[in-house]
Amino acid sequence: GAGVSQSPSNKVTEKGKDVELRCDPISGHTALYWYRQSLGQGLEFLIYFQGNSAPDKSGLPSDRFSAERTGGSVSTLTIQRTQQEDSAVYLCASSFVSGIDTQYFGPGTRLTVL
Amino acid sequence: ELKVEQNPLFLSMQEGKNYTIYCNYSTTSDRLYWYRQDPGKSLESLFVLLSNGAVKQEGRLMASLDTKARLSTLHITAAVHDLSATYFCAVPPFAGGTSYGKLTFGQGTILTVHP
Repeated sequence: GAGVSQSPSNKVTEKGKDVELRCDPISGHTALYWYRQSLGQGLEFLIYFQGNSAPDKSGLPSDRFSAERTGGSVSTLTIQRTQQEDSAVYLCASSFVSGIDTQYFGPGTRLTVL
Repeated sequence: ELKVEQNPLFLSMQEGKNYTIYCNYSTTSDRLYWYRQDPGKSLESLFVLLSNGAVKQEGRLMASLDTKARLSTLHITAAVHDLSATYFCAVPPFAGGTSYGKLTFGQGTILTVHP
C-alpha cells in the first residue's frame, strides 16, 4: 500500500515568511509524528498526535511552530516568521498506535530559509 | 531526560568483515528501534526489539537488546557494499508501565563498506 507522503519535497523561503508543510499518513494509522533532521542537531522530535487525544507538543522549539491534524488524517506543520536556523529536513511518520508500533517515515520536506 | 548514544559514529569496513554498532540509552525503556537511512533518503525501519534478550536477524544484520544494561547492538556479518548507509537506533520514553510515542534518536553511525 501507499506509504507516508509529504509535500512539498523542497521549499525555499525568505527569512520572516511563513511556511506550511503537509503530511499524509498511511491509511489506518492513528498516530502521526513530526521530526526534523539537521546537521547540527541530528534527528529531533517535534510533535505527535494520537487519535483524538491532545497532541504532545513537547518538542516544538518555539511558539513559531505549530501543527494540526484534520479529521484524524492529514497534518500540517506551520512555521511562522521563519529563521535561518529553521533550515532542516522535516520528516513525518505514522504508526497504528503511538508508543507501541513501528513508526514509518515519509520522504521528508527539505526547508531552506535564505 | 532520555539520552541515546551510538558508537562508533563513523565506521569504515572492508567487504567480508564483521563489526558491531552499539547503542546505549540513559533511562528505562521497554523497546528499541533500528533504522537505516541512505543518502538523501528517508528512514527505513530495520528492527523493533520489544523485550529484554530480544534478538532479530535480517540477512547480514542482527540486532539484540539488553534492557537491564540499557544497551542494544547491531551486528554486521560479512559486510557487503549495499550495507553502506547511516544507521540509527531510537528509544521511546517509558513511564508508569506505558511506552510513549516520541522517539529519541542516537546520533547515527555512518557505515561505509569498501572492497
